[in-house]
Amino acid sequence: AQSVTQPDIHITVSEGASLELRCNYSYGATPYLFWYVQSPGQGLQLLLKYFSGDTLVQGIKGFEAEFKRSQSSFNLRKPSVHWSDAAEYFCAVGAGAAGNKLTFGGGTRVLVKP
Amino acid sequence: NAGVTQTPKFQVLKTGQSMTLQCAQDMNHNSMYWYRQDPGMGLRLIYYSASEGTTDKGEVPNGYNVSRLNKREFSLRLESAAPSQTSVYFCASSGWTSNTEAFFGQGTRLTVV
Repeated sequence: AQSVTQPDIHITVSEGASLELRCNYSYGATPYLFWYVQSPGQGLQLLLKYFSGDTLVQGIKGFEAEFKRSQSSFNLRKPSVHWSDAAEYFCAVGAGAAGNKLTFGGGTRVLVKP
Repeated sequence: NAGVTQTPKFQVLKTGQSMTLQCAQDMNHNSMYWYRQDPGMGLRLIYYSASEGTTDKGEVPNGYNVSRLNKREFSLRLESAAPSQTSVYFCASSGWTSNTEAFFGQGTRLTVV
């Protein structure tokens, strides 16, 4: 069965600094990988996804992620954080012969200091 | 652009009571899902419906039942609520294939006392 680990529960970053969120996955086949963001009291919004091809994927809000098969990782990065990036971030791996059942990591909560 | 709509947004139940969480999507998606979110555990799949007329258990199905009423609607029922079912519940929908993204509703915050 697949699994996802997000080693950092909380990260505090200063506004304007860079951000990197770690994600490690376990999956037997080529994974479908996702990063979602959740603002307080809200649902989940897709930031970006990786299915195949170029291992560096660009997403919305200036985020990017790099798929590294050898390390089973899919880390999320942003060069310069804005106060509005304060939220909880979830990495997920998708599987299923039909539809897309997602297995999520535990999430990383990002706090942005002025 | 409604997307995925869940009702209610908040609910308080007493132990042993029953209730149904409603979910509807207007994106013509084949697949629908119910997840629960608990602190530090991310979201865990309760049940899913790959297509109209089919439902299957996910990771944490105990204490829940589901109904895929039609292509648009997928409900989650708690027959006898327990405090361990206090959680935030999310409905999601996606296309048929595994390389499509899931779209999520705004969630239902359920407290069982």
